[in-house]
Formats: sequence, C-alpha cells, structure tokens
Amino acid sequence: GNSVTQMEGPVTLSEEAFLTINCTYTATGYPSLFWYVQYPGEGLQLLLKATKADDKGSNKGFEATYRKETTSFHLEKGSVQVSDSAVYFCALSDQSRGSTLGRLYFGRGTQLTVWP
Amino acid sequence: KAGVTQTPRYLIKTRGQQVTLSCSPISGHRSVSWYQQTPGQGLQFLFEYFSETQRNKGNFPGRFSGRQFSNSRSEMNVSTLELGDSALYLCASSPGLASGREDIQYFGAGTRLSVL
Repeated sequence: GNSVTQMEGPVTLSEEAFLTINCTYTATGYPSLFWYVQYPGEGLQLLLKATKADDKGSNKGFEATYRKETTSFHLEKGSVQVSDSAVYFCALSDQSRGSTLGRLYFGRGTQLTVWP
Repeated sequence: KAGVTQTPRYLIKTRGQQVTLSCSPISGHRSVSWYQQTPGQGLQFLFEYFSETQRNKGNFPGRFSGRQFSNSRSEMNVSTLELGDSALYLCASSPGLASGREDIQYFGAGTRLSVL
C-alpha cells in the first residue's frame, strides 16, 4: 500500500540555520510527491512538488528531490527565517485514477520553530 | 481568484447531533476531497468527489457521508456525533486531469468541529 514516513518533530533552529526534514515513502506505481505547509489556524498550502524520479521541486528557498532509488523526498532550506515556523507535511498522491490524481497520503507532520 | 472556501469556520455540537459542513471549490475545479485532521491520527482521507460521483472513500464509518452538486460545491455530513469526531475538517479542490492544468489539490482553511 501507500504510506509516508517523515521525521518526528519538533525541530527547533536558529535563524539562518540549515534545515532538513526527512521523508520516505512506500507506494505502488509512480506517485507524485508533495510538501505542504500549515501555519497556525490555517489550512494546508502547497510548498513544492515533484512528479517523477529525479525531479527537483523548489519554492521560496525550499527544495526537495524525488529519489526513487531511496524512496525519499527530503525537504531542505539553506537559511531558515522566523517566518518559516510552521508544520510541514510530506505527501504522495495515489496513482492516477483516470480523471484525477486521487487521494493524498500524508506523513504525520513536522513542527518547525525558528528563533531569531 | 478566490480560493477554496469552507463554512462554517468553527462549530460546536453535542454528542448525538448531526452536522453538515460546506466546501466551495476554486472556480473551474471539478474534484473535491475531504480530510480529517486530529492530533492523534494526523491527516486522514475521508472521500473524493468528481463530477458529482464519489470516486474514492477512506476508512471511516457510514456516519460520515458526502455529496457534490452540479456546480462542484460539496457538503459532508456526520450523523450521531461522537466525542472522537472533534477535529479540523479540510476540504481540497483540484481541476482534474482532463482540465489541461496541473492536478494539484488546493486546501481550504478548514472547519474546526468540537463535539461536547
């Protein structure tokens, strides 16, 4: 079946530190992979995505590379800011079911807190 | 362009009651998915609708139901509420693969349901 495992938080960093949040997955077929971010009191916002092996998704200084050989999609950012404090979710989509990409399978989320 | 709109934002009910939550997708999106988010279980998939048809269903009891209207708006209903139904209910819309656009799920801010 499909599942996502991401590192447990919380993660606490100082501003300008390097961030890595590990994510590995199990999937049948060839899923698309996503990172979503959730700020307090809000829904999920798409941060970045990758749809095939070796694709690199990037947005707002965050990057993640779809590694099929290690079934991983680790999130990285070279220099975090206080405004990056949020919960980060790794997710994969069910393989295409004709009309839509189907459901998303989420990891448990990683709480990131960045101190000034 | 308006995002995904969920109403109401907050709801308080008592055990045994029923509740209906509403979701208006992004204009032009034909797929709507629902997720339940709790601290204990994380994000769990409830169901997905596309063109008024339920295409996919998660592992929830029959007390959880949904529907989609011809304008793609969706409602979910929970009957005979239990304390464990307290959660943030998130709705996501996506255009569908035939739209020619990237089939990405965009989330609303959610409805926070508290069952007393």
